[in-house]
Amino acid sequence: DIQLTQSPSFVSASVGDRVTITCRASQGIASSLAWCQQKPGKAPKLLIYAASTLQSGVPPRFSGSGFGTEFTLTINSLQPEDFATYYCQQHSSYPLTFGGGTKVEI
Amino acid sequence: EVQLVESGGGLAQPGGSLRLSCTVSGFTFSDHHMDWVRQAPGMGLEWVGRTKKKANSYSTEYAASVKGRFMLSRDESQSSVYLHMHSLRTEDTAMYYCVRVSSDYYHDFWGQGTRVTVSS
Repeated sequence: DIQLTQSPSFVSASVGDRVTITCRASQGIASSLAWCQQKPGKAPKLLIYAASTLQSGVPPRFSGSGFGTEFTLTINSLQPEDFATYYCQQHSSYPLTFGGGTKVEI
Repeated sequence: EVQLVESGGGLAQPGGSLRLSCTVSGFTFSDHHMDWVRQAPGMGLEWVGRTKKKANSYSTEYAASVKGRFMLSRDESQSSVYLHMHSLRTEDTAMYYCVRVSSDYYHDFWGQGTRVTVSS
């Protein structure tokens, strides 16, 4: 199975900050990586797919990069609605796996 | 508008069974694989399994943790997918999400989830 290691697990940040989250895969997955956002009590929502492509309707302050085994999600100018938990997920091979999550809190 | 609506969750005893349903609308159901993903209370996301579209012979894939106990099926006429859960364990307690798989194999739309509690 492909393990995804997210870091950090928690980020304490303020409105206007830039936040960077890293996701490392235990083996190469090309660009078969997505990022999703989950708010408490809600279903996850897709933010980025193919490592760097912004899903329709997602604000451009979110960006993704990476290929192979190392990936990054960046949130520029953090907004109040961005306080949530973020997960990376690989769809390169079965079983699909998720990172452990990064909670972005004030 | 793409919509996925899960139902069927509830309380089950260890060793019992439940069937979850997911009815979709707003897109051509037959064009997409469909997944289930679960989330135990306070925990992260875990992929459960996939039912593939007709072009892939409706084949299925499962996580090791549920293989042999859970079964996925789909009904094209109802635009629905089903998760048949048997031999339930307390560790199956979770919110279960129905998820659409895009043509490029990432999860693009999620349902709101249905909660399953396995307890005596």
